[in-house]
Amino acid sequence: DAKTTQPPSMDCAEGRAANLPCNHSTISGNEYVYWYRQIHSQGPQYIIHGLKNNETNEMASLIITEDRKSSTLILPHATLRDTAVYYCIVPRYNFNKFYFGSGTKLNVKP
Amino acid sequence: GAVVSQHPSRVICKSGTSVKIECRSLDFQATTMFWYRQFPKQSLMLMATSNEGSKATYEQGVEKDKFLINHASLTLSTLTVTSAHPEDSSFYICSAEARLASGGTDTQYFGPGTRLTVL
Repeated sequence: DAKTTQPPSMDCAEGRAANLPCNHSTISGNEYVYWYRQIHSQGPQYIIHGLKNNETNEMASLIITEDRKSSTLILPHATLRDTAVYYCIVPRYNFNKFYFGSGTKLNVKP
Repeated sequence: GAVVSQHPSRVICKSGTSVKIECRSLDFQATTMFWYRQFPKQSLMLMATSNEGSKATYEQGVEKDKFLINHASLTLSTLTVTSAHPEDSSFYICSAEARLASGGTDTQYFGPGTRLTVL
């Protein structure tokens, strides 16, 4: 798997955009970037994934740099319920095993 | 869509007993399911890959005789922790692989987890 690096924690004010970075400089051409989040004592929740183009869904936007070495997950209007650990995962092509790193603990504050 | 359930959500057992955890994909079929373990304040750790109709493949360091996995149908995988001991107490989470119509590739959908406490 391509190694991913994320900041251990971030704070965000409620109602503001939360921008969570992920570095995956060893990613290869066919490997997707996945984002999940885990709210305390629950299973991880799928957020979004992408290959090259930026992606948007009802939960978030994913911005992938042109060289694909990093990406940013954007929660446009963070709420208190978005407080969670966010994981960026790049599984090896055609294997789809997920090896979770430490993730980023996002604290949304009122 | 893509809902995964686990049963039970919580289990407490005595040391030396075996515990079975079920993982079901409710609205889709999953050829491949995965089992993870998570200790307090740690990240998820992949234990094994479960393929319908074939033997599970285990990650390095995971004892296959202790953690028995059966994937008998396209919607059900089970994890049995045999002769459980207090050090097996953990949060066990399964996931099932599915491909969204717009996804372009397979995605894992996770169950809510099972909290195992071994006394």
